[in-house]
Amino acid sequence: DAGITQSPRHKVTETGTPVTLRCHQTENHRYMYWYRQDPGHGLRLIHYSYGVKDTDKGEVSDGYSVSRSKTEDFLLTLESATSSQTSVYFCAISGVAGGMVETQYFGPGTRLLVL
Amino acid sequence: AQTVTQSQPEMSVQEAETVTLSCTYDTSESDYYLFWYKQPPSRQMILVIRQEAYKQQNATENRFSVNFQKAAKSFSLKISDSQLGDAAMYFCAYRESSGDKLTFGTGTRLAVRP
Repeated sequence: DAGITQSPRHKVTETGTPVTLRCHQTENHRYMYWYRQDPGHGLRLIHYSYGVKDTDKGEVSDGYSVSRSKTEDFLLTLESATSSQTSVYFCAISGVAGGMVETQYFGPGTRLLVL
Repeated sequence: AQTVTQSQPEMSVQEAETVTLSCTYDTSESDYYLFWYKQPPSRQMILVIRQEAYKQQNATENRFSVNFQKAAKSFSLKISDSQLGDAAMYFCAYRESSGDKLTFGTGTRLAVRP
């Protein structure tokens, strides 16, 4: 199994509060991703990173920000949580070989409930 | 934009039987990758199988195999000798060969009857 951990694994928070989710990898992979999973939508990309301090938006980035100051850590921040951000959040990583991005491997997920 | 469609929200199979999960995709690219991921009740996303579009041979991993029809843009997953542990949500995903992002379908929930 790829060495990916997410913290916290479960969180309950109130509307309007800031929330930060952490993804940590031990694989030294270049790419890291944040997805959210909601019923009927599959997994949708929020933000991703292709290197330290290099990030880009995904298809559902509104209301989220990310930071990557070290190769092994990728943080997802909800500046002011809303009930629509109640979801399961997954981190994923992938390496690069021969100039091509490799298969993505996923962390265990974080269940977030915004009341 | 690429889209991935899984038209079967739920499927059911008898233990030891074979089941096929469907996936279609839309792309104008000629070189890409396709994936099937399994998500059991633990919620962990597990890679089941991967197919490169330039390879005509269908990928196989033990009891799991794919039927890749490039012209039809179809990528189905066949599970042979189904086991209780195969019960899960299955997601089809697409990625351009030179790309770095996955596009997922909405998933198919597979139940396995003992």
